[in-house]
Amino acid sequence: DTAVSQTPKYLVTQMGNDKSIKCEQNLGHDTMYWYKQDSKKFLKIMFSYNNKELIINETVPNRFSPKSPDKAHLNLHINSLELGDSAVYFCASSPGVGQPQHFGDGTRLSIL
Amino acid sequence: AQRVTQPEKLLSVFKGAPVELKCNYSYSGSPELFWYVQYSRQRLQLLLRHISRESIKGFTADLNKGETSFHLKKPFAQEEDSAMYYCALYGGDQAGTALIFGKGTTLSVSS
Repeated sequence: DTAVSQTPKYLVTQMGNDKSIKCEQNLGHDTMYWYKQDSKKFLKIMFSYNNKELIINETVPNRFSPKSPDKAHLNLHINSLELGDSAVYFCASSPGVGQPQHFGDGTRLSIL
Repeated sequence: AQRVTQPEKLLSVFKGAPVELKCNYSYSGSPELFWYVQYSRQRLQLLLRHISRESIKGFTADLNKGETSFHLKKPFAQEEDSAMYYCALYGGDQAGTALIFGKGTTLSVSS
């Protein structure tokens, strides 16, 4: 199936740990994104990459580091997890600016 | 500054009633607007984009530049329409520009 897939779907971990979320798209899109959906269901952009180049880096703590090994993958590594990091993280891709974005299923991160 | 406003956090209607989910935007250029739907604990799915002017699942949305609005409408709500609806706007025209989302409106349709 053509899709945006992210793993894991659920991530439960303790404060202070380091974790990674992976995202892959096989749609041939040039641009990939990470969005955060908080407990109030508010969606906000964190990062965007276009052809492996970082374009958007919103006011996100340095503990969050995206990596794009190729234009089909955009991973998110989080160091020293904090309680406030609990959220659903969505990966998305699009063929270009102005085009619809396709979203992954989300990764529900819970910090104990 | 670019902004998307969805004034209603929750909209509750009865099955068969008309639905209008409001969206207003603030953008200096020519906007690219979308409606996304998120069913319970699922991914966001594209519902409509303003340039397509099509009807999906009975929903329509018309861009009104004078009122800077892009309201989502459906004449007869169904229970399966219950979901969270997001209005979104591209915040620029450069490669890598992200969507700016409204805060979302939860639509609850009961029988």
